[in-house]
Amino acid sequence: EDQVTQSPEALRLQEGESSSLNCSYTVSGLRGLFWYRQDPGKGPEFLFTLYSAGEEKEKERLKATLTKKESFLHITAPKPEDSATYLCAVQGLTDSWGKLQFGAGTQVVVTP
Amino acid sequence: EAGVAQSPRYKIIEKRQSVAFWCNPISGHATLYWYQQILGQGPKLLIQFQNNGVVDDSQLPKDRFSAERLKGVDSTLKIQPAKLEDSAVYLCASSLEAGSGGYTFGSGTRLTVV
Repeated sequence: EDQVTQSPEALRLQEGESSSLNCSYTVSGLRGLFWYRQDPGKGPEFLFTLYSAGEEKEKERLKATLTKKESFLHITAPKPEDSATYLCAVQGLTDSWGKLQFGAGTQVVVTP
Repeated sequence: EAGVAQSPRYKIIEKRQSVAFWCNPISGHATLYWYQQILGQGPKLLIQFQNNGVVDDSQLPKDRFSAERLKGVDSTLKIQPAKLEDSAVYLCASSLEAGSGGYTFGSGTRLTVV
């Protein structure tokens, strides 16, 4: 069964203090790896899709990278509005209908 | 474009009662998903519809949970009877087609069973 492990569980950053979140995965053939942002009381919001090792995607202060076993979400010079829970999910090739298996998330708090 | 609509936003019920949640996906999205998110955990897929047919309900507790998607548009998820461990946020999501992981999620229904 596909498995996704995210670390750390929680991260507290000062504004401007760059850091990285980790997503380790086990899947029988990766169709895609997805990053979502979830604010309190809201549903997850799609950020990125990565399909193959070596691929990178960027959006504002966020940059996602992918290797064969893990993905990193780098937050550069974060601002308080980057505070959220970041979820990672994988989609395996063996699932005909493209089910997403989510990790538990990393809760990020950025203080001014 | 309008997002995924869900109602109600909050629901508190006693154990053994029944409850229903409603979801209206983005217009034209063929695939609809119901996820359960327990506090501190990631979302877990309960059921996936392709148009009005079920394509994955392997993790749906079928003795108490049921779902339908009439005419391939709106969907309802029902729990009967509810248990304490059903306390969670129930998220509905939709996508243009199965396999495209960039789902659009609704804001969810927070269920508390007391």
